[in-house]
Amino acid sequence: KAGVTQTPRYLIKTRGQQVTLSCSPISGHRSVSWYQQTPGQGLQFLFEYFSETQRNKGNFPGRFSGRQFSNSRSEMNVSTLELGDSALYLCASSGRDDRYEQYFGPGTRLTVT
Amino acid sequence: DQQVKQNSPSLSVQEGRISILNCDYTNSMFDYFLWYKKYPAEGPTFLISISSIKDKNEDGRFTVFLNKSAKHLSLHIVPSQPGDSAVYFCAAGGADGSARQLTFGSGTQLTVLP
Repeated sequence: KAGVTQTPRYLIKTRGQQVTLSCSPISGHRSVSWYQQTPGQGLQFLFEYFSETQRNKGNFPGRFSGRQFSNSRSEMNVSTLELGDSALYLCASSGRDDRYEQYFGPGTRLTVT
Repeated sequence: DQQVKQNSPSLSVQEGRISILNCDYTNSMFDYFLWYKKYPAEGPTFLISISSIKDKNEDGRFTVFLNKSAKHLSLHIVPSQPGDSAVYFCAAGGADGSARQLTFGSGTQLTVLP
């Protein structure tokens, strides 16, 4: 079974721009979660989508948003980029609602200049 | 407020010996704990998990121990191999009824010396 894929792998944007990142979960997985990893804050939960609905949201500003499509693929969007948004953005999928295990993709490295 | 803490940023162990990675948590509502391994430029790889109703779970060379009264868990790797060298994260979930909102520790860099 193919793993979680994320595109693009690397991205450079300028302050004030917006960016969209894409995630394809493991086939059959309906839950997709997004995390941000930075050297200062570590791995932090952004939000989780299940059946096209946002189920949980972490403590991030409204500039961070996401959506999920009927095929479970997910996108996250960051508007009005700030330098502090430079991070590794990780997507994880989960196949069973009675289990907590999440399987991560390789991440998208976003650099904001 | 760090709810999940890994107080050792690094650990070095000889090949063949036991590696013990530790993790403490403060939120008693967590009811599920996981360990992940991460190599540079890759996403975290799931290793092993444990529910709060258990105190031990084994999977091959990996064993996780949970001490709820101490709010402490540990990952034992026996025997350690050079390929185990990576950053290890513990994570916790289940607080606020949210199964998917994992809270991660800051990670421990494990180096297994040949």
